[in-house]
Amino acid sequence: DTAVSQTPKYLVTQMGNDKSIKCEQNLGHDTMYWYKQDSKKFLKIMFSYNNKELIINETVPNRFSPKSPDKAHLNLHINSLELGDSAVYFCASSQDRQSYEQYFGPGTRLTVT
Amino acid sequence: KNQVEQSPQSLIILEGKNCTLQCNYTVSPFSNLRWYKQDTGRGPVSLTIMTFSENTKSNGRYTATLDADTKQSSLHITASQLSDSASYICVVSGWGAAGNKLTFGGGTRVLVKP
Repeated sequence: DTAVSQTPKYLVTQMGNDKSIKCEQNLGHDTMYWYKQDSKKFLKIMFSYNNKELIINETVPNRFSPKSPDKAHLNLHINSLELGDSAVYFCASSQDRQSYEQYFGPGTRLTVT
Repeated sequence: KNQVEQSPQSLIILEGKNCTLQCNYTVSPFSNLRWYKQDTGRGPVSLTIMTFSENTKSNGRYTATLDADTKQSSLHITASQLSDSASYICVVSGWGAAGNKLTFGGGTRVLVKP
């Protein structure tokens, strides 16, 4: 059983389009995260939700809007896609906001042309 | 500014040999340090997690050390196997109002050759 799943795995789209990436965890965790991994392989946190409440919002353009319909899901919507948005986006979850252990999804490779 | 630096950037070793990866950090206040393994095209998977009071932790052939005074950590891989080929990422967690905030290193890419 997949603990943290993301869809789609690959996404190729043109500049200016709007796209969404979905994430689901079946671990019963309270806290979920979105990370961006750039071409240099650095992972940076974008958002974190705890029980559907936004708790971390790093310096991310307003074009990025996370949505958590319930604590098992955290989706990422991106408006007006730009070339610089091309990256691998990882979803992760942890038992709660204080937990050390985070479980990562397989990633979504977004390519903006 | 919180930073995590890893060395070397990449490493080629022969199957069966040992290797050691380094991690230096400036994250404060410090909560814990983790080593993750990331296979190509996959998400990171946790290998070890160490808090301030822990000097060493092992997970099979992986042994991590932590010197909180010098803010350094190492990951030692013993008797490497082909499946150890991956990126190894050092992640340091600092306490924030929202809980653990992670700072990631750029990773060391390890290639194990037969």
